[in-house]
Amino acid sequence: RKEVEQDPGPFNVPEGATVAFNCTYSNSASQSFFWYRQDCRKEPKLLMSVYSSGNEDGRFTAQLNRASQYISLLIRDSKLSDSATYLCVVNPNNAGNMLTFGGGTRLMVKP
Amino acid sequence: DVKVTQSSRYLVKRTGEKVFLECVQDMDHENMFWYRQDPGLGLRLIYFSYDVKMKEKGDIPEGYSVSREKKERFSLILESASTNQTSMYLCASFGNPSGNTIYFGEGSWLTVV
Repeated sequence: RKEVEQDPGPFNVPEGATVAFNCTYSNSASQSFFWYRQDCRKEPKLLMSVYSSGNEDGRFTAQLNRASQYISLLIRDSKLSDSATYLCVVNPNNAGNMLTFGGGTRLMVKP
Repeated sequence: DVKVTQSSRYLVKRTGEKVFLECVQDMDHENMFWYRQDPGLGLRLIYFSYDVKMKEKGDIPEGYSVSREKKERFSLILESASTNQTSMYLCASFGNPSGNTIYFGEGSWLTVV
């Protein structure tokens, strides 16, 4: 079993739709969690951190479920510009050298 | 804003050539990383460094070496490039005062022919 697993997609959704991705992790001692966005042929960029209490940034909501060992990303009112690959990142020890990346979930928002 | 700069964006090298990929960060981060990213394989850690002159092997160090002579600069070296090293290489940095976030450079696309 991979340490961090994501459905690779692609998720094809119409503009305005709500879409959710999950990411499961195997290390129950993991300390911090992130969602990164990666556009085609570009570097990953931080979308949002994921806190135990959940957090929201505009149309984006991230949740952490420690009991079931997954994090989720919800995108409401999808825009064409949301089309990208979303990477789940798990940090077991907050030291950086153990960061584990999921393979990414590709989202395509269609007009 | 944190800036991680990879000076070589697109390179084409011949098999057997020595290749240097340079990375500079401007946030005084202790930790720097080199990853490669390939379709279907995701991001894989090649080497990382947690201090000047310190280096640690990542998951796929074979065929690579690194150098960190100054805190802001972390170089990836392919001593003798091979076609299976054709990939996108991403440099990243992490540390105080940026908290718990890893920042990536724009990537270096290397093609070995």
